[in-house]
Amino acid sequence: QQKVQQSPESLIVPEGAMTSLNCTFSDSASQYFAWYRQHSGKAPKALMSIFSNGEKEEGRFTIHLNKASLHFSLHIRDSQPSDSALYLCAVSMWSGTYQRFGTGTKLQVVP
Amino acid sequence: NSKVIQTPRYLVKGQGQKAKMRCIPEKGHPVVFWYQQNKNNEFKFLINFQNQEVLQQIDMTEKRFSAECPSNSPCSLEIQSSEAGDSALYLCASSLPGHSNTGQLYFGEGSKLTVL
Repeated sequence: QQKVQQSPESLIVPEGAMTSLNCTFSDSASQYFAWYRQHSGKAPKALMSIFSNGEKEEGRFTIHLNKASLHFSLHIRDSQPSDSALYLCAVSMWSGTYQRFGTGTKLQVVP
Repeated sequence: NSKVIQTPRYLVKGQGQKAKMRCIPEKGHPVVFWYQQNKNNEFKFLINFQNQEVLQQIDMTEKRFSAECPSNSPCSLEIQSSEAGDSALYLCASSLPGHSNTGQLYFGEGSKLTVL
């Protein structure tokens, strides 16, 4: 069964820093890779997603996928206090009907 | 602001009681999911629908849990006999047609269940 794991569990970074979040998955047949962000007490919200190996950038956010390493990551440039939230990665399979989530990285950006 | 509407936001039940939660998916989204997020932030997939039909559900939902998405009515998730371990945030999400596993999920803010 697919296992999705995130690291680190929590992270504190200063405002303006680069933040890097990691997600590993266990099944090489995975096809869709996404990051969501959940502010405290709020709905999770999709940030970015990717299908193919490589990088994709949207504003301050970059997603990087390496299927051979069973790993993808989210990088946040110029981190802001408003980025403080729980970050969740999600993976789905070619044959599946739903996304499996990791248990999240709690990010705190301090001024 | 989330356009997936979940009610109630909070519910408190005693062990053995029924708990029912409702979800109105985003307009035009025929695929609806229910996930359980526990206090350790573990997301457990429960069940999903495309229109009114079940796409997939886990074993847990086949016993005490039931769910439906009737036409022209809110979707619902019901726990027949609540247990302490059911205390969690129940999240409903919806997505576009054909995107049950490869598209952006739009989540509601959840129904937080506490079982005393």
